[in-house]
Amino acid sequence: QVQLQESGPRLVKPSQTLSLTCSVSGDSINTDTYFWSWIRRHPGKGLEFIGYIYFTGDTYYNPSLKGRVTMSVDLSKNQFSLKLSSVTAADTAAYYCARVDTALSTPFHDWGQGTLVTVSS
Amino acid sequence: EIVLTQSPEIQSVTPKEKVTITCRASQSIDNDLHWYQQKPGQSPRLLIKFASQSISGVPSRFSGSGSGTDFTLTINSLETEDAAAYYCHQTYSLPWSFGQGTKVEVK
Repeated sequence: QVQLQESGPRLVKPSQTLSLTCSVSGDSINTDTYFWSWIRRHPGKGLEFIGYIYFTGDTYYNPSLKGRVTMSVDLSKNQFSLKLSSVTAADTAAYYCARVDTALSTPFHDWGQGTLVTVSS
Repeated sequence: EIVLTQSPEIQSVTPKEKVTITCRASQSIDNDLHWYQQKPGQSPRLLIKFASQSISGVPSRFSGSGSGTDFTLTINSLETEDAAAYYCHQTYSLPWSFGQGTKVEVK
């Protein structure tokens, strides 16, 4: 049974960079079966897909985040990471990591518990 | 980007009643539409995939239907534990997107 766990600072100052890591246990990231993804939920609002990374390092980022997103993968630690630069209060959200099968159009089946990140001075 | 519009935003229902949530896509997405349930403090849980396919471990009172642009999630005989937010999600084209959510309250 795969488990995903987000970690990182819960409080980030405006204009700084938000950094989160997702640690995966119970399965290897080094596989062509899955995309490793980030999703967020703003307080009182809906879910937003941020993007995903493949084990090769190939990425897809949601254009709505206007080039502020960088994702990376560390195969040796079985982790993948998210960096979001130039944050504002609008980036305050619960951030989730998840995996999705690379088969066409499949949904997110496995999620981390999520971590609430607040952007405030 | 494909926009998903859910209705209603909030639904207040008594136990054993039937709940119907709709999701409309801004363009045809075939059946690449999935439904999640999210309770406070928890991550989303996949309920239905590809519009109508059931998920192992999900109670049979949850069902889905639709294709193209109009989809429905039905909860037959609502139970108190079903109080949650429900989201539709499309994987037809990138960027994948979600509906704004429907909050189901149990009276």
